[in-house]
Amino acid sequence: EVQLLESGGGLVEPGRSLRLSCTASGFSFGDYAVNWIRLAPGKGLEWISFIKSKIYGETIEYAASVKGRFTISRDDSKSIAYLQMDSLKTEDTAVYYCGRGVYNSNMYYSDSWGQGTLVTVSS
Amino acid sequence: DIQLTQSPSFLSASVGDRVTITCRASQGISSYLAWYQQKPGKAPELLIYAASTLQSGVPSRFSGSGSGTEFTLTISSLQPEDFATYYCQQLNGYPRFTFGPGTKVHIK
Repeated sequence: EVQLLESGGGLVEPGRSLRLSCTASGFSFGDYAVNWIRLAPGKGLEWISFIKSKIYGETIEYAASVKGRFTISRDDSKSIAYLQMDSLKTEDTAVYYCGRGVYNSNMYYSDSWGQGTLVTVSS
Repeated sequence: DIQLTQSPSFLSASVGDRVTITCRASQGISSYLAWYQQKPGKAPELLIYAASTLQSGVPSRFSGSGSGTEFTLTISSLQPEDFATYYCQQLNGYPRFTFGPGTKVHIK
């Protein structure tokens, strides 16, 4: 069974950093891409970042709202993806989800998501 | 940048109703579109990818259609477990993976 488990969320002051982890099980993690999205209170889903698998060069993409502040990475030996979040702002408060990225029909999409971890940025 | 709009934003419907949600892209995206369902406090669930391909395990009452700039998600007979928020997501334009604003389906 495909499982993704986010961790590392919590309460943090504006300007500080936090690192989220996405631990995968039930599939060959290294063969898949990873997406991070978030759901802020009262808002809709927002895509944040994407990393391809090593065989596809670990190409990385970011949304404009986090580019330069957030860094995505992966450790295939541990089946973990990370989201390093620096210079956090109050508007980064959200539940963060990681998703398994599948390449099929000439496109990437996420077919499975974790249950999310809550990040609260407040002084 | 490619932007997605969804209509309606809110939808009241009854069990057994046929429901249609529309997603429009500001530029053509061919069939690079997915639909997700999300319930409060839960992870999103993939319903449709490539605009019209039903994800394995998703009930056949869900269907997707469209290409280019206009797409639809149809629920042929709404069930109690379908009351949720639905999002479209584009999969190819820049920035990639942008979501639409969502359509909340609730009980009439």
